[in-house]
Amino acid sequence: GAVVSQHPSWVICKSGTSVKIECRSLDFQATTMFWYRQFPKQSLMLMATSNEGSKATYEQGVEKDKFLINHASLTLSTLTVTSAHPEDSSFYICSARGALGNTIYFGEGSWLTVV
Amino acid sequence: GQNIDQPTEMTATEGAIVQINCTYQTSGFNGLFWYQQHAGEAPTFLSYNVLDGLEEKGRFSSFLSRSKGYSYLLLKELQMKDSASYLCAVRNSGNTPLVFGKGTRLSVIA
Repeated sequence: GAVVSQHPSWVICKSGTSVKIECRSLDFQATTMFWYRQFPKQSLMLMATSNEGSKATYEQGVEKDKFLINHASLTLSTLTVTSAHPEDSSFYICSARGALGNTIYFGEGSWLTVV
Repeated sequence: GQNIDQPTEMTATEGAIVQINCTYQTSGFNGLFWYQQHAGEAPTFLSYNVLDGLEEKGRFSSFLSRSKGYSYLLLKELQMKDSASYLCAVRNSGNTPLVFGKGTRLSVIA
């Protein structure tokens, strides 16, 4: 079946630095990918919709200049957390629609800790 | 607006059957998903319903009634490893993201 891969699984960075998270669709082309974040014991919160070849659509309250999304190819979307702060520490998950169009698969998720 | 409701927590006994309900109010309905999420991990796909009725897949079944805005996930022969959060999510028409409920934390006890 379709697989979505995320990298890195874990990352620790210093406050003020930037960190990039990659989301790849391994055996299908994903024109659209979605980025979520999840705080402990809370549900997934949509951050943005990443469209291949165009600008991402951000949800209300999500800073587009802080969370940079680049969907440069049909199999790769990246999320860059710029000038990270401790409150950005969270679990970030991407998802993409499978080739058949009915199933939406998730990446493994990336734990970000900002110290 | 969109609203998805599911119970916050449930507890069931190993070997038993548990039903997790989900009600939704949304526009342009185009399918309902159930995901399982273990603590610290990403969600994994369980089921997808777009037509009314019951979809069975091993120990897991999912039911949908579009007219009632209602779905349930049925887990049979519960195992300890089924302890997880179960997320109900609705997709609207077009290439739109899923709208998630807050999830139901299921605890399976011996």
